[in-house]
Amino acid sequence: DAKTTQPPSMDCAEGRAANLPCNHSTISGNEYVYWYRQIHSQGPQYIIHGLKNNETNEMASLIITEDRKSSTLILPHATLRDTAVYYCIVTEWGANSKLTFGKGITLSVRP
Amino acid sequence: GAVVSQHPSWVICKSGTSVKIECRSLDFQATTMFWYRQFPKQSLMLMATSNEGSKATYEQGVEKDKFLINHASLTLSTLTVTSAHPEDSSFYICSAIAGELNTDTQYFGPGTRLTVL
Repeated sequence: DAKTTQPPSMDCAEGRAANLPCNHSTISGNEYVYWYRQIHSQGPQYIIHGLKNNETNEMASLIITEDRKSSTLILPHATLRDTAVYYCIVTEWGANSKLTFGKGITLSVRP
Repeated sequence: GAVVSQHPSWVICKSGTSVKIECRSLDFQATTMFWYRQFPKQSLMLMATSNEGSKATYEQGVEKDKFLINHASLTLSTLTVTSAHPEDSSFYICSAIAGELNTDTQYFGPGTRLTVL
């Protein structure tokens, strides 16, 4: 069973920020939060991950609540090419850490 | 960096034949590689985990004699679907962990679409 809960879908306007929520209320102390996205008929693309601090890279920002029970992925300026299924995954850090993919959230960016 | 390729990108075969799919890490050495499959409108399901030079670890319900995995080098893993049947038609995706980059992040290949007639 996936350890995360995400809404099935959301949309946003092109150029606006897309805030994708994720609940992971049973996360344990040594588990990280990972975000991947999958554009139709392609392999998943790594976006960002974090443990407890907020993280930012060239693609997105990850905001993790202080109790670590939820997080938000922020795409600051969504484009049409950001339309994809976004997966929030929690997993332990380790050489054989498995990723359990849930259903993800389908983000549709409208012109 | 951290680019993973797969070959072929798509393949069509007859029922009963075997198909080999290659997964390569192009710019790093992959200590661990994973194989997933994805049926239409479903999420990715992990099939097996392989470490270079050792036998693959299969997930429950995945037949190891049907899905042969070889990870003979740090840049190449192969998945062979033996005696393929129409129900094996799926999107097969590999991922790799770049141990030399001191990260546990999995980087995914573009996937291989298998159609068994």
